[in-house]
Amino acid sequence: SQQGEEDPQALSIQEGENATMNCSYKTSINNLQWYRQNSGRGLVHLILIRSNEREKHSGRLRVTLDTSKKSSSLLITASRAADTASYFCATDVDGLTFGKGTHLIIQP
Amino acid sequence: EAQVTQNPRYLITVTGKKLTVTCSQNMNHEYMSWYRQDPGLGLRQIYYSMNVEVTDKGDVPEGYKVSRKEKRNFPLILESPSPNQTSLYFCASSSQLPGPLGNYGYTFGSGTRLTVV
Repeated sequence: SQQGEEDPQALSIQEGENATMNCSYKTSINNLQWYRQNSGRGLVHLILIRSNEREKHSGRLRVTLDTSKKSSSLLITASRAADTASYFCATDVDGLTFGKGTHLIIQP
Repeated sequence: EAQVTQNPRYLITVTGKKLTVTCSQNMNHEYMSWYRQDPGLGLRQIYYSMNVEVTDKGDVPEGYKVSRKEKRNFPLILESPSPNQTSLYFCASSSQLPGPLGNYGYTFGSGTRLTVV
């Protein structure tokens, strides 16, 4: 069953701008993870935030988690053309359950 | 290099002809799983394994089998493939079992694009 739902489904911004993607989920979780997928390739783990954490940073990435609203957001600052990819949130309950992803396009 | 290796990368087969997609990890991970990715449906878990000889069904197990005889290998078996199993398949592994103590992400293979005609 689908747990996470990303919003928006697609996002196109100019290089240098910030990109924000949101994820909503339905049940209690152990942690929430974000992954990136370049076209047709394997997923790459970006960041994990545990259920007792509210915010986490990794380089240009900032993730927030609001367990009361069952939602998370991924912010990519100072975007680059190489950030063009699909981004997935995944909730860890009894293994990972993925959303359908946000397709991010960075215009040069 | 730490990685999950899937083979083959691409496979075209005919309905009913048994096939196996191999998955191997070199990180001594306990947990391994298989996903399929379809347009509009995202990634869905097929099977997972917590340890050697321990496997369990995911969300879409019908038509698939797995085995975990060794820690490093987790092959996906399609006994009688059908066209609705045409998909992009990913194997993944993790050093930690799912649960409240989990603090590590999953490592994914590069994918196997399967076409069943």
